[in-house]
Amino acid sequence: AQKITQTQPGMFVQEKEAVTLDCTYDTSDPSYGLFWYKQPSSGEMIFLIYQGSYDQQNATEGRYSLNFQKARKSANLVISASQLGDSAMYFCAMREGPAAGNKLTFGGGTRVLVKP
Amino acid sequence: NAGVMQNPRHLVRRRGQEARLRCSPMKGHSHVYWYRQLPEEGLKFMVYLQKENIIDESGMPKERFSAEFPKEGPSILRIQQVVRGDSAAYFCASSDYSGNTIYFGEGSWLTVV
Repeated sequence: AQKITQTQPGMFVQEKEAVTLDCTYDTSDPSYGLFWYKQPSSGEMIFLIYQGSYDQQNATEGRYSLNFQKARKSANLVISASQLGDSAMYFCAMREGPAAGNKLTFGGGTRVLVKP
Repeated sequence: NAGVMQNPRHLVRRRGQEARLRCSPMKGHSHVYWYRQLPEEGLKFMVYLQKENIIDESGMPKERFSAEFPKEGPSILRIQQVVRGDSAAYFCASSDYSGNTIYFGEGSWLTVV
């Protein structure tokens, strides 16, 4: 079974609108972390946001927020007020508990194209 | 993202040559990870190292690939006798002990001709 699933291979969003990128995960470990990364066309991987499994509140970082629904095992990324520079691939990733080390398992990514 | 340094950024090797990729972790980070990204795919874990120790190499191919993180100097990912299928982007990441913030370098793009 896939540990991290991103069901949207690609999507368009109008500039200044909000966009939600879906991510579901599968783990039986009670301690885990969820990450989102942005990969623009230049190739680097940019850390956006982190949510720990025990965190009570949804994580937010500027225009990025993580809609964490633990019971549904989903960790959707919301980008508010989209900008042209948000056009990129976005990857969701999970780090499972101490026994699994700190390695990340990545989803297949969602390509976002922001239209002016 | 600033602070994890990888070089070279681009590397071209002929089949059968060796490729060496270097990574200096972010200041204060002692945990280093290597990932590989094939075109149009997500990153796949290869190896997790701390200083002088390989913690988890479950994602490393059994042959031709090796990694080290010496007491002094950068972490090295070494690929011997490269083949065309090794062409990919290789990313290094680092974290502190908690692993709650894992930062990546800009990647090294290996092309085997």
